[in-house]
Amino acid sequence: SQTIHQWPATLVQPVGSPLSLECTVEGTSNPNLYWYRQAAGRGLQLLFYSVGIGQISSEVPQNLSASRPQDRQFILSSKKLLLSDSGFYLCAWRGQSSLNYGYTFGSGTRLTVV
Amino acid sequence: SQKIEQNSEALNIQEGKTATLTCNYTNYSPAYLQWYRQDPGRGPVFLLLIRENEKEKRKERLKVTFDTTLKQSLFHITASQPADSATYLCALSNTGNQFYFGTGTSLTVIP
Repeated sequence: SQTIHQWPATLVQPVGSPLSLECTVEGTSNPNLYWYRQAAGRGLQLLFYSVGIGQISSEVPQNLSASRPQDRQFILSSKKLLLSDSGFYLCAWRGQSSLNYGYTFGSGTRLTVV
Repeated sequence: SQKIEQNSEALNIQEGKTATLTCNYTNYSPAYLQWYRQDPGRGPVFLLLIRENEKEKRKERLKVTFDTTLKQSLFHITASQPADSATYLCALSNTGNQFYFGTGTSLTVIP
């Protein structure tokens, strides 16, 4: 069966520090991969999505970036965090041919920038 | 840009009643609409997907309608139970690739 791993679960980082969040998927190949952010009291905001290795689409201009170095690995990064980067970061995957199904989300990373 | 609105106020209902949640959208013509359940501190869990040419879809105690004229989806939970208490999110897409989410509605089922 397919599983998605996301870590760390919580993170407290100072303003201006770098960030790296990792997400891996098991049990499937060539998944669509997504990074969402959920700020307090707000909906899920799509940040990046990828349909294949090295293929990244950005939805919102910001100081975050994403990379997909391997088929089932998706990384969210920042060189210098801002206070506004605080939030709940969620990685998700969906099979490219499984339109009848929704996303499968990871357990999320709670990021607090101080 | 697209705007997706869900009831911002929490919904409280008595156990056994039908809960009805609303998702309205503007500036968008989605071909697909999904509903998710989210518990505190956890990622959303997929419940149902409905296409623009489908008026209604059911799964166990859940029913979703999709009215492209009204630009609205209704999500019903019949015979609601306290375990149904959670935040429910709608998500829309016109490609089926990337979905855009509403802010969610918090549902509390009172025993």
